[in-house]
Amino acid sequence: QQPVQSPQAVILREGEDAVINCSSSKALYSVHWYRQKHGEAPVFLMILLKGGEQKGHEKISASFNEKKQQSSLYLTASQLSYSGTYFCGTEKGGSQGNLIFGKGTKLSVKP
Amino acid sequence: GAGVSQSPSNKVTEKGKDVELRCDPISGHTALYWYRQSLGQGLEFLIYFQGNSAPDKSGLPSDRFSAERTGGSVSTLTIQRTQQEDSAVYLCASSAGSGAYNEQFFGPGTRLTVL
Repeated sequence: QQPVQSPQAVILREGEDAVINCSSSKALYSVHWYRQKHGEAPVFLMILLKGGEQKGHEKISASFNEKKQQSSLYLTASQLSYSGTYFCGTEKGGSQGNLIFGKGTKLSVKP
Repeated sequence: GAGVSQSPSNKVTEKGKDVELRCDPISGHTALYWYRQSLGQGLEFLIYFQGNSAPDKSGLPSDRFSAERTGGSVSTLTIQRTQQEDSAVYLCASSAGSGAYNEQFFGPGTRLTVL
């Protein structure tokens, strides 16, 4: 039931765009996105709920396709500070907050 | 305000010893989560608490692992008879509630090394 993330890794130049995908084999109530920089704790980016409600940082854009059980994170005009590993998390059961995280997508932004 | 804190930040132990890892959540947060992250790997769910009870402890790898939470605040993860494969960073997170709408705030983690 672990969500599958793609790509596993991506390298960008500053200013380029990227899309990170997260898909699940089961129906989802929510998708959570976190970013972890090397040696640091994960930091919350966004929550997307079934029905279209979203909660998160204004500069982050994401989508949630309930029918396809997929979510995508859109990183536009990337900055060096966007580098890190991005994790999506889906709830283990029902609408509770205990999450199963994907294996992560490592994003490297070069000058 | 104060974030989630964990102690110790680093722990080196010998195989077979018991260890205790502590997590202090953000004040007022009712939900608390433990995760394990092996080198270069993702976040592996271990257990979650709502208040002092643990509705889901399905992620605990074996009966050597246990956790408790007292007073709806501090939580302790105990690993008995540690093995080398237990080496990892153990992360704790807390949230204002256990519903899916609540973001999790992570602590800095405890790096456990079992020799």
